[in-house]
Amino acid sequence: QKEVEQNSGPLSVPEGAIASLNCTYSDRGSQSFFWYRQYSGKSPELIMSIYSNGDKEDGRFTAQLNKASQYVSLLIRDSQPSDSATYLCAVAPYNQGGKLIFGQGTELSVKP
Amino acid sequence: DTGVSQNPRHKITKRGQNVTFRCDPISEHNRLYWYRQTLGQGPEFLTYFQNEAQLEKSRLLSDRFSAERPKGSFSTLEIQRTEQGDSAMYLCASSLPGANYGYTFGSGTRLTVV
Repeated sequence: QKEVEQNSGPLSVPEGAIASLNCTYSDRGSQSFFWYRQYSGKSPELIMSIYSNGDKEDGRFTAQLNKASQYVSLLIRDSQPSDSATYLCAVAPYNQGGKLIFGQGTELSVKP
Repeated sequence: DTGVSQNPRHKITKRGQNVTFRCDPISEHNRLYWYRQTLGQGPEFLTYFQNEAQLEKSRLLSDRFSAERPKGSFSTLEIQRTEQGDSAMYLCASSLPGANYGYTFGSGTRLTVV
């Protein structure tokens, strides 16, 4: 089992719809969870972090964490073509000094 | 604060040659990380430093790879006797210490081994 798993996609949604991206992780003691956005040919950019169970909202983005189910998700409301990118889930496992383990990424395509 | 800087942006080398990449982190960040990313995959951890101390090196990392951060500021990643399988994007990131801080990535160095 991979440490961090994501649906590889591609995920295609129409403009204005909600995009839902999912991630599961294997280390039950993991402390911190991050979502990065990566445009083609560019480096990853941090867009959301979450540490406690529940929802965290920032503009059109909502991160959801369920530690019991070892599940993290990212919702993007009112999706725009500029949201088309690969979204990487990253997890900080317990007692590993803040090192992040990344999933393989989910490619999102928002169609006008 | 100019962010994380990586040089060179691109490197093409012949198989068997040695290459060295440089990373300048954000000045307040004492954690520095190296990752490798191939097409369609997420970044794969290579090694990380806190100040000048190398705290962890991936078990998957060949002995041909070495990294240094001599004065706790910039870091270099050297690959000796490059192989075609080393072709990838090499990403450097920096952060404040602790698990609650996300990384800031540099633009990466794209290595092509021919």
